[in-house]
Amino acid sequence: QVQLQPSGPELVKPSQTLSLTCAISGDSVSSNIGAWIWIRQSPSRGLEWLGRTYYRSKWYNEYAISVKSRITINPDTSKNQFSLQLKSVTPEDTAVYFCGREGLAAAVDVWGQGALVTVSS
Amino acid sequence: DIQMTQSPSSLSASVGDRVTITCRASQSINSYLNWYQQKPGKAPELLIYAVSSLQSGVPSRFSGSGSGTDFTLTISSLQPEDFATYYCQQSYSNPLFGQGTRLDIK
Repeated sequence: QVQLQPSGPELVKPSQTLSLTCAISGDSVSSNIGAWIWIRQSPSRGLEWLGRTYYRSKWYNEYAISVKSRITINPDTSKNQFSLQLKSVTPEDTAVYFCGREGLAAAVDVWGQGALVTVSS
Repeated sequence: DIQMTQSPSSLSASVGDRVTITCRASQSINSYLNWYQQKPGKAPELLIYAVSSLQSGVPSRFSGSGSGTDFTLTISSLQPEDFATYYCQQSYSNPLFGQGTRLDIK
């Protein structure tokens, strides 16, 4: 059974960088099947797909247009986890952040528990 | 960008009712349409992927249909545990979720 556990600060100051990590158990971040993703949810923006990282003989990243200039998703093979960094945050980035796995048809078949991150001074 | 329009935004129904939720894409997304259920305080759960494939462990009262731009989630006979919010998602290009349908008890 695949499980994902996010971790990271719950409070981030405006203009700083939001950083979250998602630990994987029961699967490998280097799997040649599927992808590892971050999604966020807020009352104003609903569910918003942020980006993915995946391995197909080499590493690939794809990001949502809305955050492309500010986001980095990185795999960490030594710890079997992946991370999210979102730079220059504003209160609009306050949301519950989910990590997940994309499987068939790029549907998110495994979700981590949500991590509420608040951007406030 | 592909836009997703989900309707209705809310729905009241009774146990045993048949319920239909629709999702329309602004352009063809082939079969890259997925449905999720979310309960308060929890992560969404995958119900249906690729329009009509039932995710493992999901009851058969859930079904999906459609093609091209128009898609439907049907719950054949509502059970008490089905009252939740439902989301469609296109995963064809720049994945995007619908705005959700809140299903509550009449």
